[in-house]
Amino acid sequence: GAVVSQHPSWVICKSGTSVKIECRSLDFQATTMFWYRQFPKQSLMLMATSNEGSKATYEQGVEKDKFLINHASLTLSTLTVTSAHPEDSSFYICSARKEYNSPLHFGNGTRLTVT
Amino acid sequence: LAKTTQPISMDSYEGQEVNITCSHNNIATNDYITWYQQFPSQGPRFIIQGYKTKVTNEVASLFIPADRKSSTLSLPRVSLSDTAVYYCLVGGGENDYKLSFGAGTTVTVRA
Repeated sequence: GAVVSQHPSWVICKSGTSVKIECRSLDFQATTMFWYRQFPKQSLMLMATSNEGSKATYEQGVEKDKFLINHASLTLSTLTVTSAHPEDSSFYICSARKEYNSPLHFGNGTRLTVT
Repeated sequence: LAKTTQPISMDSYEGQEVNITCSHNNIATNDYITWYQQFPSQGPRFIIQGYKTKVTNEVASLFIPADRKSSTLSLPRVSLSDTAVYYCLVGGGENDYKLSFGAGTTVTVRA
């Protein structure tokens, strides 16, 4: 149980375009979803926390107008990278949690390459 | 914010037990301690979670002293496939809004 599906697993886009990444909890309802970004050989960096039906809380330094997060239901959250640039190229990982103190369950990540 | 500190790396050999200690001095009363494993280009995978004392499952044990300011993940009889980065994460209580990862411990298992 506790499966999180993330799509796409990889995407290549041109500079200036937007990319949407989906994160779905397949067999549980997630009260909270988290989005992380990871550069090579570094730890996961928390970008934002989202609760169903409310606005996401972004970490300091993360542009909310560039990284749009929508948590429309208890099983789906999306991250849209708007007007992507090469420096946005990274590994993006979502996670979902049933409730407070529940473990995080992670998607398999999305490798974004902006050319 | 319950910051965590772990060793950067550890080396081991197949069949040995690996113990990774994580320090979290400012853990909050309601925080849980959770450990994850991550392979390259994959999302982290949940290993084990605990609040106090000892927790054991089919893959690992977690030891938490009474003051809860540290925790130790124990991997019995590791194999080559256990080579990965291991993270401890503290949260779920007062610090819940910011579930941030520390640097993690790279465990390398050799034949």
